[in-house]
Amino acid sequence: SAVISQKPSRDICQRGTSLTIQCQVDSQVTMMFWYRQQPGQSLTLIATANQGSEATYESGFVIDKFPISRPNLTFSTLTVSNMSPEDSSIYLCSGRGASGGSVVFGPGTRLTVL
Amino acid sequence: AQSVTQPDIHITVSEGASLELRCNYSYGATPYLFWYVQSPGQGLQLLLKYFSGDTLVQGIKGFEAEFKRSQSSFNLRKPSVHWSDAAEYFCAVGPGGTSYGKLTFGQGTILTVHP
Repeated sequence: SAVISQKPSRDICQRGTSLTIQCQVDSQVTMMFWYRQQPGQSLTLIATANQGSEATYESGFVIDKFPISRPNLTFSTLTVSNMSPEDSSIYLCSGRGASGGSVVFGPGTRLTVL
Repeated sequence: AQSVTQPDIHITVSEGASLELRCNYSYGATPYLFWYVQSPGQGLQLLLKYFSGDTLVQGIKGFEAEFKRSQSSFNLRKPSVHWSDAAEYFCAVGPGGTSYGKLTFGQGTILTVHP
């Protein structure tokens, strides 16, 4: 299975600023996804990162708040814009190969907004 | 809309005892089902997955899960729990095809293991 790394592993940010999270996969994956895990909660899918085109967002998430890029098959970024304390969460990247393969997750980025 | 319910928020077992974590799902088509484990400060590790075929699925770390379509369940089991199994466990469901990998997660079950 692919191995996913994320940078940064954690950060503390001020309200109103933005943070870009990087996701790197060690092999090509067909699909990449971004999830949010709010404190004490489960994971919620934010969007599908599409290579070379705009991401596909789930209900309740918008591009202006969470712009996503995926310039190639192994790398994606998620930006959390104009942050507020409610954005304090763990953000996880995932990827999968062909249909039926494993769906693997990165270690997550723990974000705290003050 | 698809959904996953894990009825037990927190389970405590003694080391060496058997374990069953419950998962019920709601999904309009044939579901792709997964169990993940998340240790404190760690990412998600895939324990096992089910797509089709034999309804009893073997995973890593001695875990198994049984798919019961009539009950819309995919319960996770382990015959003898080790202290290192203490973690949070997530059941997830998702589609196949081009959207394979877009997962809906349950709320998670926290497992505590007593020595």
